[in-house]
Amino acid sequence: DIQMTQSPSSVSASVGDRVTITCRASQGISSWLAWYQQKPGKAPKLLIYAASSLQSGVPSRFSGSGSGTDFTLTISGLQPEDFATYYCQQANSFPPTFGQGTRLEIK
Amino acid sequence: EVQLVESGGGLVQPGGSLRLSCVASGFTFSSYSMNWVRQAPGKGLEWVSYISSGSSTIYYADSVKGRFTISRDNAKNSLYLQMSSLRDEDTAVYYCARVLSGSYSLVPGYWGQGTLVTVSS
Repeated sequence: DIQMTQSPSSVSASVGDRVTITCRASQGISSWLAWYQQKPGKAPKLLIYAASSLQSGVPSRFSGSGSGTDFTLTISGLQPEDFATYYCQQANSFPPTFGQGTRLEIK
Repeated sequence: EVQLVESGGGLVQPGGSLRLSCVASGFTFSSYSMNWVRQAPGKGLEWVSYISSGSSTIYYADSVKGRFTISRDNAKNSLYLQMSSLRDEDTAVYYCARVLSGSYSLVPGYWGQGTLVTVSS
């Protein structure tokens, strides 16, 4: 199975800040990577697929980049509603696997 | 609008069985592959099972293989997860999720609200 490792596990930031979360795959997955946002008590929401494609309805302050084994999710100009947990997921092969999550907290 | 509504969760004893259901609306259910994904309390996301649109392709996580069975009824726009020989570690919120598209069949693009399964004596 492909292992996904996110860093950091948690990060504190302020409204208006720019935040970057990284995700590393244990083997190359081309651009088969997705990012999700999850708020407490809610289902995950797809933000980005194919490493850099923004899902419909997702604000443009979210962006993704990377290919192969190293990927990043960047949030430019943090908004209050962005404080949540973020997960990466490899979509290259079964079983699809998720990173352990990055908790974005208000500073 | 894509809507997925899970039901069937609850409290069950170790070794017991439970059947989860997910009713879909807002899209042509028979055209999309579906997944079950779970999340143990306070933990991350774990993919559980996948079924293709016509049920010809099915996959399971090693952690549930031989104990869980995924199925679907396209006439009823419904997805199911039959869970047996349940263990404490199966305690989780179970989400039904539709794939994003045919080209992104390993991306759960749309999720239901989840149903909680608690395995405890």
